[in-house]
Amino acid sequence: SQQGEEDPQALSIQEGENATMNCSYKTSINNLQWYRQNSGRGLVHLILIRSNEREKHSGRLRVTLDTSKKSSSLLITASRAADTASYFCATAIGSGNTGKLIFGQGTTLQVKP
Amino acid sequence: SQTIHQWPATLVQPVGSPLSLECTVEGTSNPNLYWYRQAAGRGLQLLFYSVGIGQISSEVPQNLSASRPQDRQFILSSKKLLLSDSGFYLCAWSDPSGGVDEQFFGPGTRLTVL
Repeated sequence: SQQGEEDPQALSIQEGENATMNCSYKTSINNLQWYRQNSGRGLVHLILIRSNEREKHSGRLRVTLDTSKKSSSLLITASRAADTASYFCATAIGSGNTGKLIFGQGTTLQVKP
Repeated sequence: SQTIHQWPATLVQPVGSPLSLECTVEGTSNPNLYWYRQAAGRGLQLLFYSVGIGQISSEVPQNLSASRPQDRQFILSSKKLLLSDSGFYLCAWSDPSGGVDEQFFGPGTRLTVL
């Protein structure tokens, strides 16, 4: 079963606007991560938020985590055309040292210049 | 600095043919290694992961197998490809000593089975 579900599946905005993507998950997590994927490329790690954190910032990115609702959001402020990509949340679960992540289906973001 | 390589970048194979995709990591030791498959417009499905040489865990039953003959080499194989094996295959690594689970991805291999 899918651990992470992103919402919306697709988002189209104008350059300069903010973009918000949401992720819901089902089980307890150690941390939640967001990744970006440009078309036909590998994924790039954006930001990690631990289960005991509520908010984290990195440049124009802001991530929130609500463990009571099992949800997270990624906010990209002042979007640019170069932000056009797919964004995935991934949850780290379980014990041991496997480093396994469960990825959601992703949100495709289009930023129009 | 660490780098991860995958080859080939693209591959077109007939149904029933064998497959071998290779992934190598440089600049780190004892990494955890992962193979994912991504269908068009979809998320990533974890296929295999490895925490050490010769240690392979399979996440889903399928037509594929994985091997780790060296510390920084991860190979994805099939004896006979199916149409359903088409997709974008991604290799990734993480540092088990780092205390976090951030993964670093290779550029991927686009596999088309005809």
